Amino acid sequence: DAGITQSPRHKVTETGTPVTLRCHQTENHRYMYWYRQDPGHGLRLIHYSYGVKDTDKGEVSDGYSVSRSKTEDFLLTLESATSSQTSVYFCAISDRAGDRYEQYFGPGTRLTVT
Amino acid sequence: AQTVTQSQPEMSVQEAETVTLSCTYDTSESDYYLFWYKQPPSRQMILVIRQEAYKQQNATENRFSVNFQKAAKSFSLKISDSQLGDAAMYFCAYRGNDMRFGAGTRLTVKP
Repeated sequence: DAGITQSPRHKVTETGTPVTLRCHQTENHRYMYWYRQDPGHGLRLIHYSYGVKDTDKGEVSDGYSVSRSKTEDFLLTLESATSSQTSVYFCAISDRAGDRYEQYFGPGTRLTVT
Repeated sequence: AQTVTQSQPEMSVQEAETVTLSCTYDTSESDYYLFWYKQPPSRQMILVIRQEAYKQQNATENRFSVNFQKAAKSFSLKISDSQLGDAAMYFCAYRGNDMRFGAGTRLTVKP
């Protein structure tokens, strides 16, 4: 299994509070991604990174920001959490130029915003 | 934008039988990859099989095989000799300039 961890694994927070999720990899892969998974939608890309300090938006980026100061860490921040951001969040990594190869996923973080 | 459609929200199969999960996609790109991922109750996403669009030969991995019809933009997954451990959500995914997932098919395996 690819060395990807996510923390926390579960979190309950209140509307309006900031939340940061962490993805940590030990594979030295260049590309890292944040997805959210909701029933009926599969996985949807929030943000991705193609190197340290290089990030870009995905399909559902509104309300989220990311940072990558080290190769191994990719942080996802909800500046002011809303109930619509209740979801399961997955981090993924890949390591092929042109980004054409499969992604390896972390175990997921279940976030509940009350 | 590319879209991926899985038209079967749920499927069931008898143990040891064969089942086929459907996936269609829409794209204007010529160079892309297609994947099937399995998500058991543990929530871990596990790669099952991948297909490069430029390859005409259908990919196979043990009991798992695909029927890739590029002109029809179809990418179905066949599971042979189904086992109880195959029960999971299955997601079809497209990777071109971006990554898109289908909504998933929940597979139940009956003993």
